[in-house]
Amino acid sequence: ILNVEQSPQSLHVQEGDSTNFTCSFPSSNFYALHWYRWETAKSPEALFVMTLNGDEKKKGRISATLNTKEGYSYLYIKGSQPEDSATYLCAFESGGSNYKLTFGKGTLLTVNP
Amino acid sequence: DTEVTQTPKHLVMGMTNKKSLKCEQHMGHRAMYWYKQKAKKPPELMFVYSYEKLSINESVPSRFSPECPNSSLLNLHLHALQPEDSALYLCASSQGQGRSQPQHFGDGTRLSIL
Repeated sequence: ILNVEQSPQSLHVQEGDSTNFTCSFPSSNFYALHWYRWETAKSPEALFVMTLNGDEKKKGRISATLNTKEGYSYLYIKGSQPEDSATYLCAFESGGSNYKLTFGKGTLLTVNP
Repeated sequence: DTEVTQTPKHLVMGMTNKKSLKCEQHMGHRAMYWYKQKAKKPPELMFVYSYEKLSINESVPSRFSPECPNSSLLNLHLHALQPEDSALYLCASSQGQGRSQPQHFGDGTRLSIL
């Protein structure tokens, strides 16, 4: 059973704060790490797919880094806005012939105006 | 608006009923997925279809029966479900069942079993 852990479980920040949270995953048999944003009553939306150790991706005020050797990824949000409030899910994609994503439980971010 | 459409949004059914969940995408994606998500748990993969053929069944009970009539449609037929099957059922698609491709999700069907 693959263990994909996200911390913290939930986070409350004020508008304008910068924040970050963590996804940890197995360092063996790694192929890719996905990040999704899931707003209440909407569908999960893909943010990033990262494959290379040391990779850094950016989309507006959101960025992510990847360390495959130690098995973690950070998601950063700069200058949080209320519309950033959502659950942020990471998903581990393993190597081998059986393609599947194993999701973490997510970090619930609430940005207060 | 999501590009993956799921119907119905909500479904309440008894344990003896037969119903179906539907999922549709018109992005030309050739891989489609069913996930089950219980409250406070991560989405769990149930089935994967690749080029309209079932490629992964994650040991799902036979009371769930997937069907992929064509490359745009994915159904999940439900029969004799149990109360513990109450959950959010998410459909997703990707360009192929290939590596490191993001998945596009529908809004889900909230299923309640009485």
